[in-house]
Amino acid sequence: DAGVIQSPRHEVTEMGQEVTLRCKPISGHNSLFWYRQTMMRGLELLIYFNNNVPIDDSGMPEDRFSAKMPNASFSTLKIQPSEPRDSAVYFCASSRLDEQYFGPGTRLTVT
Amino acid sequence: RKEVEQDPGPFNVPEGATVAFNCTYSNSASQSFFWYRQDCRKEPKLLMSVYSSGNEDGRFTAQLNRASQYISLLIRDSKLSDSATYLCVGYTGGFKTIFGAGTRLFVKA
Repeated sequence: DAGVIQSPRHEVTEMGQEVTLRCKPISGHNSLFWYRQTMMRGLELLIYFNNNVPIDDSGMPEDRFSAKMPNASFSTLKIQPSEPRDSAVYFCASSRLDEQYFGPGTRLTVT
Repeated sequence: RKEVEQDPGPFNVPEGATVAFNCTYSNSASQSFFWYRQDCRKEPKLLMSVYSSGNEDGRFTAQLNRASQYISLLIRDSKLSDSATYLCVGYTGGFKTIFGAGTRLFVKA
């Protein structure tokens, strides 16, 4: 079975540009999570969806961040405009119950 | 105080050693707990769930102490391949999950 799929795996962009990260959860999982990981702050939960509905976005750092889940098999995390401090690894995870399975992550570098 | 706290380590142990990590949590409403393993530059991977009665999987044993609000992970007969960061996770219903900062383990030959 395919795991969680994320794209792109690496993204390098300049400050001010829009960045869109993509995630395809495991088929049959009804919850999806976006995390950000940095050395300084560790793994932070940004937002999570249940049955495609955003449940808690309190972890989203600023209005520059937005996330959507238009259907059960696709989600996006958008940063507009991007800033150097957004550089991190962004993970998507999905679950059917409470055990989460992570994608390989997108390593974002904003210069 | 962080909701989930771990000793960051690093723990440096020889092959074959037994090593234990503890993780404390502050939210008594936390319903379930997990240990994840994360290798350098990789995603976290589920290692095991933690039950009140304890959970054992080969060389790994996880336990939950609700009275003292901590969970533990014991690794017996450490292997070089066990070198990684171990993350404990508390799940507080409503899909809210809190990750600890992780404990780094280095197993040396």
